[in-house]
Amino acid sequence: AQKITQTQPGMFVQEKEAVTLDCTYDTSDPSYGLFWYKQPSSGEMIFLIYQGSYDQQNATEGRYSLNFQKARKSANLVISASQLGDSAMYFCATSNVIYNQGGKLIFGQGTELSVKP
Amino acid sequence: ETGVTQTPRHLVMGMTNKKSLKCEQHLGHNAMYWYKQSAKKPLELMFVYSLEERVENNSVPSRFSPECPNSSHLFLHLHTLQPEDSALYLCASSEDRAYNSPLHFGNGTRLTVT
Repeated sequence: AQKITQTQPGMFVQEKEAVTLDCTYDTSDPSYGLFWYKQPSSGEMIFLIYQGSYDQQNATEGRYSLNFQKARKSANLVISASQLGDSAMYFCATSNVIYNQGGKLIFGQGTELSVKP
Repeated sequence: ETGVTQTPRHLVMGMTNKKSLKCEQHLGHNAMYWYKQSAKKPLELMFVYSLEERVENNSVPSRFSPECPNSSHLFLHLHTLQPEDSALYLCASSEDRAYNSPLHFGNGTRLTVT
């Protein structure tokens, strides 16, 4: 069965600095996707970035990049130049194609990021 | 409106009440989902609809009853809930059910069962 592990319940970062949020995954499917979502206190889950298992390069979206290390089964999110508005919960998630489970995301426990001014 | 909208944002109901949560997506997507987010727990998938057909029911108690009348609307009908059902209920949609198709979520309905 798929599993996502986020080992950092809470993180602090100084404004304008970079921060890395850890995510490891466990899946036996060769085809899978990895996603990161941001959840502010308002509750909405905001899609940030996607990495496919066959993608050769690390995904990037603006200040977000995904450090994909397939052999280690890790998919860490890097946020560069942190802003106060980045304070939120961050969730790592995975999906796969086994048993037609496409679109079914399995989420980790989340990491609460606090950006200090 | 754009994206995925959920109503109401907050709901307080007694254990004997019947209420419904509504979700509408304006993205032209073909799949819709209900997730439950309890405190200190990962998000739990409840139901999946693809082209208005329910394709997954993740062992959810029968006191939760989903309805998908068309590809843009999704409802979650609630009756005789328990206090442990208090949670944030999130609706999401995706273009299709491919594994690389990201889910787009609404703001959620925060449900309190008294």
